[in-house]
Amino acid sequence: DAMVIQNPRYQVTQFGKPVTLSCSQTLNHNVMYWYQQKSSQAPKLLFHYYDKDFNNEADTPDNFQSRRPNTSFCFLDIRSPGLGDAAMYLCATSRGSGTYEQYFGPGTRLTVT
Amino acid sequence: AQRVTQPEKLLSVFKGAPVELKCNYSYSGSPELFWYVQYSRQRLQLLLRHISRESIKGFTADLNKGETSFHLKKPFAQEEDSAMYYCALRFGGNTGKLIFGQGTTLQVKP
Repeated sequence: DAMVIQNPRYQVTQFGKPVTLSCSQTLNHNVMYWYQQKSSQAPKLLFHYYDKDFNNEADTPDNFQSRRPNTSFCFLDIRSPGLGDAAMYLCATSRGSGTYEQYFGPGTRLTVT
Repeated sequence: AQRVTQPEKLLSVFKGAPVELKCNYSYSGSPELFWYVQYSRQRLQLLLRHISRESIKGFTADLNKGETSFHLKKPFAQEEDSAMYYCALRFGGNTGKLIFGQGTTLQVKP
């Protein structure tokens, strides 16, 4: 009954080799978010989509991009991963109104070698 | 700028003892605060939100605007409460963006 699905759960990539992480949802929520969580740190918002409107956080590196081809799917692209990009990447969704509760996926752990 | 502070990285108590997980915030607008919890090997999930003033799994949290705090409390801790707890502040209008505190690991010993 997973409502927010992330694939793959574990991703290993090489330094500088582009990588794409995937998120899908069955909740039909308007908003999708991407967070980066490094070891022992809080999740940090990278960007979000409200429907098709993309909103980048001011301190998100240019190396990170996102695509949302339809309501259900959202992708995180890292163009040239560095060692410092190794982290857990969390996808979340919300209705964008009402309670604003966010529903999280299980995360993708990215390792950069 | 908005900020959420959880001063304790680890809180260790015995089963049956009271628990208080501290959270302080800094925000110029009207705050909307949440507690999220992550049990071992599970995804992050909402525990409670201040607006609904509810009690979930015996936990409560009261927003104190004077002290800019939103501490999470439970009178009698259970072993199954052991988890990572994050306090979060909503900002950014209707997008529901969250800023999280650093998290507190609650360890309830038998």
